[in-house]
Amino acid sequence: SQTIHQWPATLVQPVGSPLSLECTVEGTSNPNLYWYRQAAGRGLQLLFYSVGIGQISSEVPQNLSASRPQDRQFILSSKKLLLSDSGFYLCAWGGNQPQHFGDGTRLSIL
Amino acid sequence: DQQVKQNSPSLSVQEGRISILNCDYTNSMFDYFLWYKKYPAEGPTFLISISSIKDKNEDGRFTVFLNKSAKHLSLHIVPSQPGDSAVYFCAASGSGSGSARQLTFGSGTQLTVLP
Repeated sequence: SQTIHQWPATLVQPVGSPLSLECTVEGTSNPNLYWYRQAAGRGLQLLFYSVGIGQISSEVPQNLSASRPQDRQFILSSKKLLLSDSGFYLCAWGGNQPQHFGDGTRLSIL
Repeated sequence: DQQVKQNSPSLSVQEGRISILNCDYTNSMFDYFLWYKKYPAEGPTFLISISSIKDKNEDGRFTVFLNKSAKHLSLHIVPSQPGDSAVYFCAASGSGSGSARQLTFGSGTQLTVLP
């Protein structure tokens, strides 16, 4: 069966520090991969999606970037975090619809 | 521009009764709709979906109804159980390729089922 791993579960970072969140999927090959963010009291906003290694599409302009160095690995990064980057970050995999989510990372920026 | 709206941020229902969660959308290109359930500190879990060629889809205690003319869908949970207490997200996607097939989420409704 397919599983998705996302870490860390929580992260507290100072403004201006770098960020790297990792997501890996097991039990499937060539999945579509997604990064979402949920801000407090809001729905899930799609940040990036990838249909294959090295292929990244960005949905909204922002301070973040994504990379897919391997088929089942998706990384969310930032060189310098902003206060507005706080939120709950979710990785997901699927076909055309991301039906399977990781447990998320709660990111707090101080 | 919120293309998928869940106007009720919260809903409380007595155990055993019916829970009805509502969702409205504005984009007429949406043709596939999903409901997700989310517990605190966990990722959303897929519950049930419906395509625009249907007006109803049922899976156990969960039924989703779609009214295309009103651009409205609802999730019915019967009977409601305390374990159903969670945030429910409505999501929609459109036909076509690329970003058109991505999901657009509503802001969620917190359901509380009272024992």
